Amino acid sequence: DAKTTQPTSMDCAEGRAANLPCNHSTISGNEYVYWYRQIHSQGPQYIIHGLKNNETNEMASLIITEDRKSSTLILPHATLRDTAVYYCIVRVGTSGTYKYIFGTGTRLKVLA
Amino acid sequence: DVKVTQSSRYLVKRTGEKVFLECVQDMDHENMFWYRQDPGLGLRLIYFSYDVKMKEKGDIPEGYSVSREKKERFSLILESASTNQTSMYLCASSTPGLGGEQYFGPGTRLTVT
Repeated sequence: DAKTTQPTSMDCAEGRAANLPCNHSTISGNEYVYWYRQIHSQGPQYIIHGLKNNETNEMASLIITEDRKSSTLILPHATLRDTAVYYCIVRVGTSGTYKYIFGTGTRLKVLA
Repeated sequence: DVKVTQSSRYLVKRTGEKVFLECVQDMDHENMFWYRQDPGLGLRLIYFSYDVKMKEKGDIPEGYSVSREKKERFSLILESASTNQTSMYLCASSTPGLGGEQYFGPGTRLTVT
């Protein structure tokens, strides 16, 4: 199973872009990368996912390298409410029986 | 608003007790999952189910079993609780399709004494 490696923690100034890196060097060609975040005492919340193209939604952007061995989640204007643990996940399996392989996540602290 | 609910936020049980953790989703999702979360270890998959009465072992199924009698409900069972099963338990559901993001419940913090 593919696994992910993320920095344990990061700080970011409020209003600045937060760039969270993830390595997934053993990812297979049909395995998607997902990002979730978990705010204290809550269940993880979906942010974004992608396969090989860059993706953007109202929460974040996902940049995936051409060789797909790494990706970066970008929160364009971090706020204090973005303080959370961010998980980079590879989804493995076949249609109908997908499952996630979670890493240990990056604890992002947004500073006022 | 989509919802995954878990029967308890906090639970305290004694060693050797049989423990049931219930999860209900209202999104008509086919797939449901049980994870446990421990400090420094992230989320680890215990069991998942992709249809009623179907179940698959995850990465750490030992000491657990599951039941899925109805599409909306997925139960995690600790046959004989032990102290090393003290943990946060998270339930999730998803559609089986290509997008298929998982929706998580708020978690149950189980303490076994």
